[in-house]
Amino acid sequence: NAGVTQTPKFQVLKTGQSMTLQCAQDMNHEYMSWYRQDPGMGLRLIHYSVGAGITDQGEVPNGYNVSRSTTEDFPLRLLSAAPSQTSVYFCASRSGYNEQFFGPGTRLTVL
Amino acid sequence: QQPVQSPQAVILREGEDAVINCSSSKALYSVHWYRQKHGEAPVFLMILLKGGEQKGHEKISASFNEKKQQSSLYLTASQLSYSGTYFCGTGSNFNKFYFGSGTKLNVKP
Repeated sequence: NAGVTQTPKFQVLKTGQSMTLQCAQDMNHEYMSWYRQDPGMGLRLIHYSVGAGITDQGEVPNGYNVSRSTTEDFPLRLLSAAPSQTSVYFCASRSGYNEQFFGPGTRLTVL
Repeated sequence: QQPVQSPQAVILREGEDAVINCSSSKALYSVHWYRQKHGEAPVFLMILLKGGEQKGHEKISASFNEKKQQSSLYLTASQLSYSGTYFCGTGSNFNKFYFGSGTKLNVKP
């Protein structure tokens, strides 16, 4: 049982580049979400999904897209990277009202 | 939407107690508590659900006042391993779940 996995662990982009952060879980959780955490700050919800084919926006969705074609995978796409998107990105999953399981995070720097 | 946590930071000596508070302006279905060590992902501590159900680690205790939309985390007889940043997360419906800005706890010998 790998839990929640994220790739890559580190990434450096130039302004304007696009990329996809990968997230996968093997616990058959229906709920998955993406958060960003800026230095010394809390976790802010970017997008979330309540099941395959169903996604919605969180607090800070601008500049990011998501899709959920399977229960297991929930990729986050940065359309045109900006320095303001430099952050640590966490993917999380849960079942019902139970605890959220977090991935190890992706540390993204945009130059 | 984000819950408000207090205090922002706490310094304790080993063995001392601390209380961390979390409040929301919206009616809540659930409150979660997590601890995050530097450079790591948040780790689950406890869930409190509307109606009184609680799930979590044995050594952690917390309360949830549904009417006031407030929760408190009680850390007793603190140990060095308790150091880290504590986050509360709240859900006013099943889908959207928001975290507070965190309380940094430093336990010294």
